[in-house]
Amino acid sequence: RKEVEQDPGPFNVPEGATVAFNCTYSNSASQSFFWYRQDCRKEPKLLMSVYSSGNEDGRFTAQLNRASQYISLLIRDSKLSDSATYLCVVKGRGANNLFFGTGTRLTVIP
Amino acid sequence: NAGVMQNPRHLVRRRGQEARLRCSPMKGHSHVYWYRQLPEEGLKFMVYLQKENIIDESGMPKERFSAEFPKEGPSILRIQQVVRGDSAAYFCASSRDRSGEAFFGQGTRLTVV
Repeated sequence: RKEVEQDPGPFNVPEGATVAFNCTYSNSASQSFFWYRQDCRKEPKLLMSVYSSGNEDGRFTAQLNRASQYISLLIRDSKLSDSATYLCVVKGRGANNLFFGTGTRLTVIP
Repeated sequence: NAGVMQNPRHLVRRRGQEARLRCSPMKGHSHVYWYRQLPEEGLKFMVYLQKENIIDESGMPKERFSAEFPKEGPSILRIQQVVRGDSAAYFCASSRDRSGEAFFGQGTRLTVV
């Protein structure tokens, strides 16, 4: 079983729509959770960390469900510039590396 | 405060040559990770280093690949006798500590011809 699993999409949504991505992780001892964004042929960029209490940054809301071992990302009022691949990233306690999902591709349509 | 710097951005090598990829972490960061990304695929962990130490190289191929992070200077990912299958984007990331957020460089795109 993969460490991190995501629906690859693609998700094609109109501007202004709300879209949500889910991601599941296999290691219950995982401690740190992040969402990264990757544009085509560019490096991954940290979008936000995911805290146990959930967190919000403008139009983006991330939540963590430890019992079910999944994290989510909600994007409200989608913009064309939100088009990218969104990567779910998990790190276990004492783990030496970040485990990346394969990413969910989002295209926001005018 | 410069971000993670990788060079070169693009590297072309003939089969059998050596490729050397460099990564300078962000200021104040002493943890470096190398990842490889094949076209249309996710990032695959290769190696995790701290200054002068390889902590985890479980993702590195057993032959031809090596990495170092000397006391002075950038981290180096070295690929000897490159083959076509080594063509990929190689990303370096750095973090302040083991559990912190990691920030990526722009990557080196290696093409083996």
